[in-house]
Amino acid sequence: AQSVTQLGSHVSVSEGALVLLRCNYSSSVPPYLFWYVQYPNQGLQLLLKYTSAATLVKGINGFEAEFKKSETSFHLTKPSAHMSDAAEYFCAVSGTGNQFYFGTGTSLTVIP
Amino acid sequence: GAGVSQSPSNKVTEKGKDVELRCDPISGHTALYWYRQRLGQGLEFLIYFQGNSAPDKSGLPSDRFSAERTGESVSTLTIQRTQQEDSAVYLCASSPRTSGGIETQYFGPGTRLLVL
Repeated sequence: AQSVTQLGSHVSVSEGALVLLRCNYSSSVPPYLFWYVQYPNQGLQLLLKYTSAATLVKGINGFEAEFKKSETSFHLTKPSAHMSDAAEYFCAVSGTGNQFYFGTGTSLTVIP
Repeated sequence: GAGVSQSPSNKVTEKGKDVELRCDPISGHTALYWYRQRLGQGLEFLIYFQGNSAPDKSGLPSDRFSAERTGESVSTLTIQRTQQEDSAVYLCASSPRTSGGIETQYFGPGTRLLVL
């Protein structure tokens, strides 16, 4: 079985500051991990995914995430926040089956 | 089409009525998922279709919920005798194929359902 926990339902950062959104997973099989973003009034879109290749995954818009098996984590980071990064971010995990398990989401606010 | 589309975008209904939600996946995508997103909560898996295989219905919350898909095209999610707790955003996603959960899902904009 798989599950995902996102720590912090709301995160606020200043423009230009580091963005860190936390995701911890639970999986009985080697996981595939995803970060999706939902901009206001838009559908979810993929930011990046980990599929057991490189542990540091780079995504769109300057985001990246590092798979740490020892910590069962897949935190999302961006060195410098931009106003356009304000959105809802979802971490998701899947295994060898059909289902994807999403976290409850983290709402990112960027303060000018 | 250019992306996954869903209709209607918003639906208000009275408790006890049936509703039908529609999803048009990206052309050529064999896998299709339905999710429910309640206010302030994450996405809850409902059902999964892959080609002509039997659907994975393990996420459907009750027998009031059902879904159909014709081949690799349109899917409809039907909720019978709606209850207030059914109020949520219903999201549809499609992906090119499934290979052990690796594939990226492409999401539609969702249908916002409000049951009065």
